Amino acid sequence: DTAVSQTPKYLVTQMGNDKSIKCEQNLGHDTMYWYKQDSKKFLKIMFSYNNKELIINETVPNRFSPKSPDKAHLNLHINSLELGDSAVYFCASSQVMGGTTNSPLHFGNGTRLTVT
Amino acid sequence: AQSVTQLDSQVPVFEEAPVELRCNYSSSVSVYLFWYVQYPNQGLQLLLKYLSGSTLVKGINGFEAEFNKSQTSFHLRKPSVHISDTAEYFCAVGGFNKFYFGSGTKLNVKP
Repeated sequence: DTAVSQTPKYLVTQMGNDKSIKCEQNLGHDTMYWYKQDSKKFLKIMFSYNNKELIINETVPNRFSPKSPDKAHLNLHINSLELGDSAVYFCASSQVMGGTTNSPLHFGNGTRLTVT
Repeated sequence: AQSVTQLDSQVPVFEEAPVELRCNYSSSVSVYLFWYVQYPNQGLQLLLKYLSGSTLVKGINGFEAEFNKSQTSFHLRKPSVHISDTAEYFCAVGGFNKFYFGSGTKLNVKP
């Protein structure tokens, strides 16, 4: 039983294309996230949603648009892909109450995006 | 604001030797600290967490960490490493609505 699952695992596409990554969690968590991990393994938060509402948007370009149809799903759509978007994108979830992050993150296995 | 510093980008160690991976944090609010491990081509997996109480925290795979408030540190230790411990290790601190990660430490266990 996968707790946080994201698809696809690999995504290879050309510059200018539009692509989506899907994420689902079955942990009953209220908060979901998208993180970007660059080639140096640095993890940077992109978005956070709590009960389908956007909580955090860390100055991510408008080409990135998250969508949360319900609290168990958080998808990421990327328009007009650029070379610099190549990275591993991780979905995660956590039980955050009142902003308190004392419940750990649970990560998906990542989506390796390669833009050529 | 919160931040995390992992002082070593790489730590080479021989199998069965002890290891310590260093982590320092800064936090202006309650401190919630975490260590995660990332094996190649996988997501991050929780090793252990400190929320309150005893400053020595035990986690999975024989790892433990000690919270030191005066030194604002949360170093990860294992008394005897195995080849299978080769991975990237991340320290994180919980802030308001989000988590702050260190830049990671690559543990390379040699036979």
